[in-house]
Amino acid sequence: AQSVTQLGSHVSVSEGALVLLRCNYSSSVPPYLFWYVQYPNQGLQLLLKYTSAATLVKGINGFEAEFKKSETSFHLTKPSAHMSDAAEYFCAVSEGTGGFKTIFGAGTRLFVKA
Amino acid sequence: NAGVTQTPKFQVLKTGQSMTLQCAQDMNHNSMYWYRQDPGMGLRLIYYSASEGTTDKGEVPNGYNVSRLNKREFSLRLESAAPSQTSVYFCASNILAANTGELFFGEGSRLTVL
Repeated sequence: AQSVTQLGSHVSVSEGALVLLRCNYSSSVPPYLFWYVQYPNQGLQLLLKYTSAATLVKGINGFEAEFKKSETSFHLTKPSAHMSDAAEYFCAVSEGTGGFKTIFGAGTRLFVKA
Repeated sequence: NAGVTQTPKFQVLKTGQSMTLQCAQDMNHNSMYWYRQDPGMGLRLIYYSASEGTTDKGEVPNGYNVSRLNKREFSLRLESAAPSQTSVYFCASNILAANTGELFFGEGSRLTVL
């Protein structure tokens, strides 16, 4: 069965600092991996996705994530945090073909200090 | 371009009352989903509809029923609401039957059961 673990329910960084949000997954088949962002009182929107092409995936707003099969990880990074990045971030996994269920991690709330 | 529209946005119920959450998408997507979001638990899949005419249980289906009314609409019904069903409910859709693609979310319906 697939599962997702996000390390740290809250992460706080200073504006301009590196953002690193951690995600580890478990899947019995090659996974499809996603990062979503949720701003207050809104639905989730896709930041980026990994679907077995390049292991380094670039997304919107300067975010990127690297798929590491040996570590079963898909950590999200951004070189320089901006105040507008403050939001909740969700890592998700889907087993793709034949699987209709996307499983989400518990979420990490990112705080950005001025 | 509306995307995924959910109604109502807010609802307060008493224990034992019933209600239906409505969801409609205008993107001609095949698959539709209902998730609930609770603090510290991420999003959990309640029910999904891979295509018009089919519905299946997700992780937490107890206490809910769904109807895929047509390709556009997917409703979630609580027959006898309980305080444990206090949550934020999200409808989502995607175009690829294999679920390798991005989920598009509505803005959520916040339900409180007293």
